[in-house]
Amino acid sequence: EVQLVESGGGLVKPGGSLRLSCAASGFSFGDAWMSWVRQAPGKGLEWVGRIKSRLEGETIRYAAPVKDRFTISRDDSRNTLYLEMDSLKTEDTAVYFCTTEAPQGFDHWGQGTLVTVSS
Amino acid sequence: DIVMTQSPDSLAVSLGERATINCKSSQSVLYSSDNKNYLAWYQQKSGQPPKLLIYWASTREFGVPDRFSGSGSGTDFTLTISSLQAEDVAVYYCQQDYSTPPTFGQGTKVEIK
Repeated sequence: EVQLVESGGGLVKPGGSLRLSCAASGFSFGDAWMSWVRQAPGKGLEWVGRIKSRLEGETIRYAAPVKDRFTISRDDSRNTLYLEMDSLKTEDTAVYFCTTEAPQGFDHWGQGTLVTVSS
Repeated sequence: DIVMTQSPDSLAVSLGERATINCKSSQSVLYSSDNKNYLAWYQQKSGQPPKLLIYWASTREFGVPDRFSGSGSGTDFTLTISSLQAEDVAVYYCQQDYSTPPTFGQGTKVEIK
């Protein structure tokens, strides 16, 4: 069974930093494209960014609102995906989901971790 | 970026009746090399993560009841729930994966009338 478990969320002040982790199991993590998708309270879904598999060069892409502030990385030896968030803004407040990204879409999701950016 | 627009924003349907949600993309999501529409539908129940229902516009994900169906091509797509059940109360999102960034519609809330 595929499992994705996010951790690391919490309350942080504007301008601060936070690192999210996503522990994966039940599938071949090293072969998977992985993405982060966020959802602001009461709002819709917004893709944050993705990292391809090592075989595909671990190419990383980001959404415009987070580019140059967020960094996605992966540790295939630990089956873990990371999201390093710097220079956080109040508009980054959201639940952050870790997902697998297959050609057909985002096929597995974690339960999410809440990040609140507030003074 | 491709903009995805869903309609309506919400709808209330009686149990056993049909629910229809539309999704329009600002440009075609039909990939000519494989003739697939890179359009997916997700269901999100309250307090839960989204769940993939339909991909390539009309292919049901494994385990999804056959009352859910997807149709359309190019820029216009539809998700149909043929006979609404109580457990189908949720917000439904369409999403294109034709180009990066992947983008979602704003969501359609389905309730029981």
